[in-house]
Amino acid sequence: KAGVTQTPRYLIKTRGQQVTLSCSPISGHRSVSWYQQTPGQGLQFLFEYFSETQRNKGNFPGRFSGRQFSNSRSEMNVSTLELGDSALYLCASSARSYSGRAVYNEQFFGPGTRLTVL
Amino acid sequence: GENVEQHPSTLSVQEGDSAVIKCTYSDSASNYFPWYKQELGKRPQLIIDIRSNVGEKKDQRIAVTLNKTAKHFSLHITETQPEDSAVYFCAAQGSARQLTFGSGTQLTVLP
Repeated sequence: KAGVTQTPRYLIKTRGQQVTLSCSPISGHRSVSWYQQTPGQGLQFLFEYFSETQRNKGNFPGRFSGRQFSNSRSEMNVSTLELGDSALYLCASSARSYSGRAVYNEQFFGPGTRLTVL
Repeated sequence: GENVEQHPSTLSVQEGDSAVIKCTYSDSASNYFPWYKQELGKRPQLIIDIRSNVGEKKDQRIAVTLNKTAKHFSLHITETQPEDSAVYFCAAQGSARQLTFGSGTQLTVLP
């Protein structure tokens, strides 16, 4: 199976602009999670989408939004960019596995989009 | 929500020695604990994981142990090699069924 893909890989924007990032999950995976990775803050959870619905959301301002399409591809959008939004944005796809009533969320990451805000 | 703490933040070992990275979590309902390895400029790669119904899992030179009572889990790498040098992240899946990551450990294996 092809892995998780993300486009674009690199992006340079200026403050105040908006940006849209795209993620295509592994075939058959219906869940996509987004993370922001910065040197000081590690991997911070943004949100998770499953079957076109946002299932979980992290502690980020409303400028960060996302959506998922019927083919499980997902996009995230950041409006009114700030310098502090410069980071590596990673998406991860997962196919939940079940054992009895337990649910396991095994995630596989894409290569990320490196966003630089000037 | 879940909180995961990871120690140490940096770790240097001689080639051939063992390396141990430790994590603690706060949500007693957490049931899944993966470990990721991220080499410079690359994506995090899942290297091993453990479910809450087992105490230890091993895959060649890598092992993970879980102590549910104390709410901590550890990654053990034996016979370290230069290619083991990377940042390692632990994570825990809490009751919200999302992964919360530790802050990462930069492992350097000295030749």
